[in-house]
Amino acid sequence: QKEVEQNSGPLSVPEGAIASLNCTYSDRGSQSFFWYRQYSGKSPELIMFIYSNGDKEDGRFTAQLNKASQYVSLLIRDSQPSDSATYLCAVKAGNQFYFGTGTSLTVIP
Amino acid sequence: EADIYQTPRYLVIGTGKKITLECSQTMGHDKMYWYQQDPGMELHLIHYSYGVNSTEKGDLSSESTVSRIRTEHFPLTLESARPSHTSQYLCASRSGAENIQYFGAGTRLSVL
Repeated sequence: QKEVEQNSGPLSVPEGAIASLNCTYSDRGSQSFFWYRQYSGKSPELIMFIYSNGDKEDGRFTAQLNKASQYVSLLIRDSQPSDSATYLCAVKAGNQFYFGTGTSLTVIP
Repeated sequence: EADIYQTPRYLVIGTGKKITLECSQTMGHDKMYWYQQDPGMELHLIHYSYGVNSTEKGDLSSESTVSRIRTEHFPLTLESARPSHTSQYLCASRSGAENIQYFGAGTRLSVL
């Protein structure tokens, strides 16, 4: 079983819609959770991080964490074509970081 | 914007060659990491360091070695490159006070 699981997609949404990306993790001791955006051929870029249960909002992005269900999600409101990328979920457990395979998002103009 | 630099950005070499991928950061971060990423796959940790003269192997040591003689510098060496080493190599760093990793632009390696 992988430490971090994501639906690889592709996920397609029309411009202006809400994109919902999901991630589950296996280690209940995980402490910190991150969403990175990665454009094709580029390196990961941090979008959001969340440490506590509940929602955290930053502009058009909202991260949601449910530690009881071992589930973390990312909502992108008013999706733009420039949001088209692969979104990586990452989890810190102990001193290690574990990454999912990423969900490919395409925003259709 | 993160100040972490990787060179070269692209490299094509023949089998059996020894190569060193460079990574430097100017943020004074004590923790540094090397990851390997294949298309559509997760990042795999190759090596990490928590400070000068401290290095540890990750899940995928990939027949490579690292050194950490200076805080800002964390080079990765492949003693004898093989086609199976063809991949993208990402360097990252973070301070001990926070959990956020900052990534360099990556080195895309092709071994023929």
